[in-house]
Amino acid sequence: DTGVSQNPRHKITKRGQNVTFRCDPISEHNRLYWYRQTLGQGPEFLTYFQNEAQLEKSRLLSDRFSAERPKGSFSTLEIQRTEQGDSAMYLCASSLTPRGETQYFGPGTRLLVL
Amino acid sequence: QKEVEQNSGPLSVPEGAIASLNCTYSDRGSQSFFWYRQYSGKSPELIMFIYSNGDKEDGRFTAQLNKASQYVSLLIRDSQPSDSATYLCAVNFPRGTDKLIFGTGTRLQVFP
Repeated sequence: DTGVSQNPRHKITKRGQNVTFRCDPISEHNRLYWYRQTLGQGPEFLTYFQNEAQLEKSRLLSDRFSAERPKGSFSTLEIQRTEQGDSAMYLCASSLTPRGETQYFGPGTRLLVL
Repeated sequence: QKEVEQNSGPLSVPEGAIASLNCTYSDRGSQSFFWYRQYSGKSPELIMFIYSNGDKEDGRFTAQLNKASQYVSLLIRDSQPSDSATYLCAVNFPRGTDKLIFGTGTRLQVFP
């Protein structure tokens, strides 16, 4: 399988707990994006990596959110002290083209905070 | 004004008809435009991208771009019930990261 993979696919947690999601991009894709999508909305940009460098973070990404891509391959997104408003689908996308334009999405991680 | 606007629908068309999906964007600096299809509960799947004014055809799909009017559309010919999904228009943010700005999507229903 050469597509973007994400784990876990589903996560149910209680408010206040920490959660971590993983994204494995398409092999050799140097750009990796995280988006969040809530019901009835399009995906919203959260953050972006080129290789291991995190180059941009959305203002949507509060200080409870942190993302890493330590070796320029897989990435993790951690949410600390989860809130009910964090319930959403978290999508990872990767791209290789020079301008990073054609982004391919993984299956997403659906988070439910109770 | 939203950066990328789409009619939420639903747009209902009979099987075999042409479905026309529209999208407008606000940033004149945008240069890349994408259409993604999203089935309920699934992640977005890239259908087409277009960079230049005019039409771009791929099978039953045609993307149309008019930068002067800041308008991009997707035509689906010979619509099938399996085309029933939400279609997301995405535009690149022209400065810096090339992140994508998405519309809210148009829900398409193709009935037999």
